[in-house]
Amino acid sequence: GNSVTQMEGPVTLSEEAFLTINCTYTATGYPSLFWYVQYPGEGLQLLLKATKADDKGSNKGFEATYRKETTSFHLEKGSVQVSDSAVYFCALSDRNTGFQKLVFGTGTRLLVSP
Amino acid sequence: DAGVIQSPRHEVTEMGQEVTLRCKPISGHDYLFWYRQTMMRGLELLIYFNNNVPIDDSGMPEDRFSAKMPNASFSTLKIQPSEPRDSAVYFCASSPDSSQWKETQYFGPGTRLLVL
Repeated sequence: GNSVTQMEGPVTLSEEAFLTINCTYTATGYPSLFWYVQYPGEGLQLLLKATKADDKGSNKGFEATYRKETTSFHLEKGSVQVSDSAVYFCALSDRNTGFQKLVFGTGTRLLVSP
Repeated sequence: DAGVIQSPRHEVTEMGQEVTLRCKPISGHDYLFWYRQTMMRGLELLIYFNNNVPIDDSGMPEDRFSAKMPNASFSTLKIQPSEPRDSAVYFCASSPDSSQWKETQYFGPGTRLLVL
């Protein structure tokens, strides 16, 4: 079945450091890939997405590239801020399971200190 | 639009009591999802609806859980009787069916449930 694997957290960084959160997936079809972010006390919100191989999703300085050859969708940001502290979820949707049904990873907590 | 609305935001109840969680999806969205989030199990999809019809309830943990969607603007998730292991944050999400963002789900703020 479909699954998403994320790096364990927490990831602790100083402000302005470079961020990478790894995400790999297993899917039977050609999935769409997503990063969602959850700020403390809130629900998840879409950060970025990519729907086909080699697509790059980007938003708020975050980027992720859909790599079919390595089945990966790593999240990167060049210079993190304290306000980026949150839990980040990688997810996929697949035509075989109905595009509306998302499969989430376990989440990676990011802590950014001043 | 106000986004997905959930109520109550917090619920504390005693074991054995009935709990009802409520959700109002974004107007015009055809899909509605119920999730449960715990530290141990992460984010789990419980059930989802399309045009008010339940499509997949394979994530509903047991018969104590039930969900309904009587119309396009309202859904409930009921736990009867509740148990301490049901303590979690329950999220409702909705998504549209017609746009390039049809796969994007919009989450509510969640209901934090504590069963004593």
